[in-house]
This record gives sequence, C-alpha cells and structure tokens, in this order.
Amino acid sequence: ETGVTQTPRHLVMGMTNKKSLKCEQHLGHNAMYWYKQSAKKPLELMFVYNFKEQTENNSVPSRFSPECPNSSHLFLHLHTLQPEDSALYLCASSLFLVEGVPEKLFFGSGTQLSVL
Amino acid sequence: DAKTTQPTSMDCAEGRAANLPCNHSTISGNEYVYWYRQIHSQGPQYIIHGLKNNETNEMASLIITEDRKSSTLILPHATLRDTAVYYCIVRVEEAGTALIFGKGTTLSVSS
Repeated sequence: ETGVTQTPRHLVMGMTNKKSLKCEQHLGHNAMYWYKQSAKKPLELMFVYNFKEQTENNSVPSRFSPECPNSSHLFLHLHTLQPEDSALYLCASSLFLVEGVPEKLFFGSGTQLSVL
Repeated sequence: DAKTTQPTSMDCAEGRAANLPCNHSTISGNEYVYWYRQIHSQGPQYIIHGLKNNETNEMASLIITEDRKSSTLILPHATLRDTAVYYCIVRVEEAGTALIFGKGTTLSVSS
C-alpha cells in the first residue's frame, strides 16, 4: 500500500459514455498528478495540482477534465473518449515543501481503461 | 524529452548484484538524480535520489560520478521480485514541476 488509492481498478466504456476516475491520498500531501501510460510507451504527464490549483496541463485534449476539490482528492472526468485513449491512468501525490528540497512521488496502482 | 540515457534492457541472475547505468551528461548543478521502478501493471515506486554524494538505503545504492554526468543504481542482491522497469530521472526542484519519465531499463532477474 502506497497511501494513494485509485478507483476503479478497471473500466470499460463506450465512446459516448461519461465516467470519472477517482484518486485519494492519505499521506497529507499537497500536490497531486495524473499520468497516462499507453501500451509500451513511457508515462506521460497530464495534469499537476499544487495546493488544489492546477499548475500544469500538458496539452491534454478537453475530453479529459481534471478536478481537485481538496488536497486529498483528485478526479479525472472522461467524456466522448476515443479507442486510442485506452491506457493505464496513474495518480500520484507528493509533499511539496520549499523549492530546492527533493520530493518523492507516491503512485497509486492505476485504472486500466478500455474504450470500445 | 528525457534528459537521461539508459540501456533498453538488462539481465541479472538471482542473488547477484544488478548494476543499472544512467547517463545524464547535460545535468545542471541544481538537478537531482532520481530512480524509480515500475513492476508490471503497478504504479512506479520511488527507490532513491541523490545530488552529488553516493547514497544508500534499504532498497539500493546510488553511485554518482564526480562530474555528475552519469550514475549507477546498484541492487546488491537481486531477487525475482526486482524484475521491473527502472527509470533514471534528473529534476530540479521547482514549484509546480513534475517528474518526466523516459523509457527506462527493463531488468529481468532469473533464477
């Protein structure tokens, strides 16, 4: 257990569906991240939230919509996805203290998404 | 683009030391070297990090060359459960930044 919980573990959805991925961290961290990992590709950073404020959107299509209601929860809302969006979606969190101080990322186990 | 270069794959016999190299010839003076690993179908796991000095923890040792242009992660007694993709990442600690992962090294430990 890493202290970062993602639900659901697996999700199958059609291209017209709307679904949400949930991430919850129990570590007292103040930064949360969404990463995407397609088959046989490196992890791609999607979104970064520091202190609930989105600080990075890595040119992600608008069919992916993040939400961070508080420092412990992070959501990824999905709508009208394409089959090429099928991937492992990973959430991570970290404790950002001050600039120059190393921070470790703690990852959840991910949601394996299949878009039909 | 990732700032590091790692071999695509390596093999190691169980019980032997696994030495995973990483080149980061353009590293800046304030950038740290991090190592993570990802076991199949799981999220990446932090292993160790360092700036200039060699570091050791319960999982591994990190050896950084004096010019900081390369480093080696050492798993002293590899087990089958160490089979994973190992990522070497260089990063400056700035607000709002995140780890950028490359392709990593696939380490296969066999009995």
